[in-house]
Amino acid sequence: AQTVTQSQPEMSVQEAETVTLSCTYDTSENNYYLFWYKQPPSRQMILVIRQEAYKQQNATENRFSVNFQKAAKSFSLKISDSQLGDTAMYFCAFTSGGTSYGKLTFGQGTILTVHP
Amino acid sequence: EPEVTQTPSHQVTQMGQEVILRCVPISNHLYFYWYRQILGQKVEFLVSFYNNEISEKSEIFDDQFSVERPDGSNFTLKIRSTKLEDSAMYFCASSSSGGGQETQYFGPGTRLLVL
Repeated sequence: AQTVTQSQPEMSVQEAETVTLSCTYDTSENNYYLFWYKQPPSRQMILVIRQEAYKQQNATENRFSVNFQKAAKSFSLKISDSQLGDTAMYFCAFTSGGTSYGKLTFGQGTILTVHP
Repeated sequence: EPEVTQTPSHQVTQMGQEVILRCVPISNHLYFYWYRQILGQKVEFLVSFYNNEISEKSEIFDDQFSVERPDGSNFTLKIRSTKLEDSAMYFCASSSSGGGQETQYFGPGTRLLVL
C-alpha cells in the first residue's frame, strides 16, 4: 500500500519570503502522479500543482514549484514570494498511474501561516 | 470555469438517521469520488465510481454507505444509519479520466454533524 508522509505539522513564513514544505512517499510502482492541494480556512480543496513521475523536469506554477526526487521518493513544494493568501493547510497526495481508478492517498497535512 | 458543487453545505442529524449528500460533478467528467476529513485529520478516500458502478472502495466504506448516480448529473452518498464518528467534512471530486492522468477537482464539501 502507498503511504504519504508530511513531517512538518506547522510552518510559518514572513510575507515575500520563500518556504519549502516537505513530503515523502512510499510505493513500489514506477508510474504514478503526485499532487499538492491547498485547503484554506473555507476547507475547499484546491489543486496547487501536479507532477507526473515519468517526467524528470520539476513542475512549476507561477510562485509554486516542486523538487521531485524520484529515487529518494521525495516531493517538496516551494512557495516563493509568499502572500497572506497562501495561509492554509497543504496536503501532499499520491495516485497510482496503473490500474487504479484514481484514488488519492493524502499526507497528514502541513499548516502554513504567512505573517505580514 | 466548470466546478463541482455539493449540497447541503452543512447537515446536522441525529444518530441513527439516514443522510444523503449530493454532488454535481463537472459535466464531461466520467470518474467520481467521495472523500472524508474528520476535523483536524487528513483527507481519506471512501469510494470511486465509474461507468455506473463502484470501481474501488476503502475499508471505511462499509455496508452503511452507498453511492448512486440517479440521473445524468447528480452523484450521491448515502449513510444509512449515522454514527457519531461519521461527523466529518465530506468531499466529492470528479475527473475526466482515472489513473491520475487527469486531475481530480473537488467540491466545497458538506460538513456533517451527527448528534
